[in-house]
Amino acid sequence: QVQLVESGGGVVQPGGSLRLSCAASGFTFNSYTIHWVRQAPGKGLEWVAAISYDGSNKYYADSVKGRFTISRDNSKNRLFLQMNNLRAEDTAVYYCARDYVHDRWGQGTLVTVSS
Amino acid sequence: EIVLTQSPDFQSVTPKEKVTITCRASQSIGSSLHWYQQKPDQSPKLLIKYASQSFSGVPSRFSGSGSGTDFTLTIDSLEPEDAATYYCHQSSSLPYTFGQGTKLEIK
Repeated sequence: QVQLVESGGGVVQPGGSLRLSCAASGFTFNSYTIHWVRQAPGKGLEWVAAISYDGSNKYYADSVKGRFTISRDNSKNRLFLQMNNLRAEDTAVYYCARDYVHDRWGQGTLVTVSS
Repeated sequence: EIVLTQSPDFQSVTPKEKVTITCRASQSIGSSLHWYQQKPDQSPKLLIKYASQSFSGVPSRFSGSGSGTDFTLTIDSLEPEDAATYYCHQSSSLPYTFGQGTKLEIK
């Protein structure tokens, strides 16, 4: 069955870096655009970034542009989010989601930015 | 940026009641509007894609309608397990955006 599993979250100080990973299985990974969506504690959903099926196109929310980098390794069915210069307002559960309609989501990984 | 505004923010409803949640876009997005259900401590789940297309496995009491700027999610005959927060989301233009959410409480 279709599965997305995020990992790499944790506690990091402001200004620090973290790399999130999303492992995909149960579908043809290299046929789909994949997105990162985040949710701050007790808040709503915020679209963060997306990458096209072949990695040639990448898109970012203004709030993360220049600090976050989305990438993928289709040979390993993995999606990544490199997060640099983290701020307190980046604290959230980060989900990977398949396709523009987000028909499948992972369970999320919690990123906490705090000193 | 396209702003999606949902109403109401919160609604307390009784089982078997019919519920309507609306989502208004700040500019036309065609039919590129999707609906999700999120229960506490769970990931969101897709209910309706492209305004009115039911997603596989979703109960038939959930339906969607609308196009352009005004969209509706309808839940016919509410069940207790429908207690959740519902979000709309547009994939018409970057940056993709979500509505602020509508929390449904079951009385």
